[in-house]
Amino acid sequence: QVQLVQSGAEVKKPGSSVKVSCKVSGGTFSSYVISWVRQAPGQGLEWMGGNIPVFGSANYAQKFQGRVTISADEAATTAYMDLTSLTFEDTAVYYCARYTSGFDLWGQGTLVTVSS
Amino acid sequence: QSVLTQPPSVSGAPGQRVTIPCTGSSFNIGAGYDVYWYQQLPGRAPKLLIYGNSKRPSGVPDRFSGSKSGNTASLTVSGLQAEDEADYYCQSFDSSLSDEVFGGGTKLTVL
Repeated sequence: QVQLVQSGAEVKKPGSSVKVSCKVSGGTFSSYVISWVRQAPGQGLEWMGGNIPVFGSANYAQKFQGRVTISADEAATTAYMDLTSLTFEDTAVYYCARYTSGFDLWGQGTLVTVSS
Repeated sequence: QSVLTQPPSVSGAPGQRVTIPCTGSSFNIGAGYDVYWYQQLPGRAPKLLIYGNSKRPSGVPDRFSGSKSGNTASLTVSGLQAEDEADYYCQSFDSSLSDEVFGGGTKLTVL
């Protein structure tokens, strides 16, 4: 069955960048919409953006425009989320999720800690 | 402040029924965009519970049901069980933001 497996936890300095990967196994990667959703400690879910690899284009939440880049490597069946200019408020668990009728399949989450 | 509004918490005794409302606006739920519901157990990734306002994915018990009227959607959990204790989130699309949006989440406590 289709599985989404994310890269491991990261600790970053304020002002730096982080790139999280999401390996998709099984299914037809190029037709999937892979989105990214984050969850700060004790807080709710926040959609960051998503892309359809076969179209090579992404759309981003207004809040993250200019700071996030979502991409995909079809050959590696892996999606990526790159977030720049990190601040302490970016400390969160970052999830990738496949969107079909809703976000129907999720990765296990990647904890990104921003600390000086 | 979330675009979709949910109560922070609800509770019920085992066997009872509880309803979690999700209130939006004419830019999202009221505009006819589908509503989705997710269950998140502690320390786990969210799980899709309801799609297309009222449909259940395979494997989701029929104790969970969804509905929508006007600017408000609702998730009803019937026959509460201890394992239903979790956080629940609604989600839809907002045309004014052109963003997918989530509710703030509701913690369901089984007494």
